[in-house]
Amino acid sequence: SLDLTQPPSVSVSPGQTASIPCFGDGLGDKYACWYQQKPGQSPVLVMYQDSKRPSGIPERFSGSNSGNTATLTISGTQAMDEADYYCQAWDSSIAVFGGGTKLTVL
Amino acid sequence: EVQLVESGGGLVQPGRSLRLSCAVSGLTFSDYWMHWVRQAPGKGLEWLSRINDDDSDTSYADSVKGRFIISRDNAKNTVYLQMNSLRADDTAVYYCSADPLQSTARIFDYWGLGTQVTVSS
Repeated sequence: SLDLTQPPSVSVSPGQTASIPCFGDGLGDKYACWYQQKPGQSPVLVMYQDSKRPSGIPERFSGSNSGNTATLTISGTQAMDEADYYCQAWDSSIAVFGGGTKLTVL
Repeated sequence: EVQLVESGGGLVQPGRSLRLSCAVSGLTFSDYWMHWVRQAPGKGLEWLSRINDDDSDTSYADSVKGRFIISRDNAKNTVYLQMNSLRADDTAVYYCSADPLQSTARIFDYWGLGTQVTVSS
């Protein structure tokens, strides 16, 4: 079964680029999505089909997926981007989430 | 404005049952698959179940298969999660999420605010 692994935490300075990886066997053969969750709030879809941004998501968010790694990249990271980020993919009819990465902007 | 409002959570004893509801407004409910996702305290997201647009197909995570049942009423724009044989490790915030039928791949496009379920004696 598909297992998605994310680093527990990533730190970035304001204005710099943050990269959050998500590892899974054969992940590049599937579509990856990313969800942002701020404390006390519901998750928000920030990337789907590997690299598509939903309406309302800033252009500084981008995504890629190849081989065994999907990556969410935030360029010019802002303080408001500090949050937990979860990757997600489908293993047949079962949705699998990564364990989540806490992005700290400091 | 799209709204998903979960209800039915609360404190329940181990082994008992609970039914969650998620009322949806602001979109054409029958154009969406629906999912339930939960989040245990301090933990990550766990997908539980999904139901397709016309209630003809469902799927479940292994952790709830045989105990939880998802259903929907398109006339009431509502999706349900019947939770039986509840255990302490079912304690979590339960979210419903809407997934557009037209999407090339399944996505959790809209989310509710969640309802807290606590299983304890």
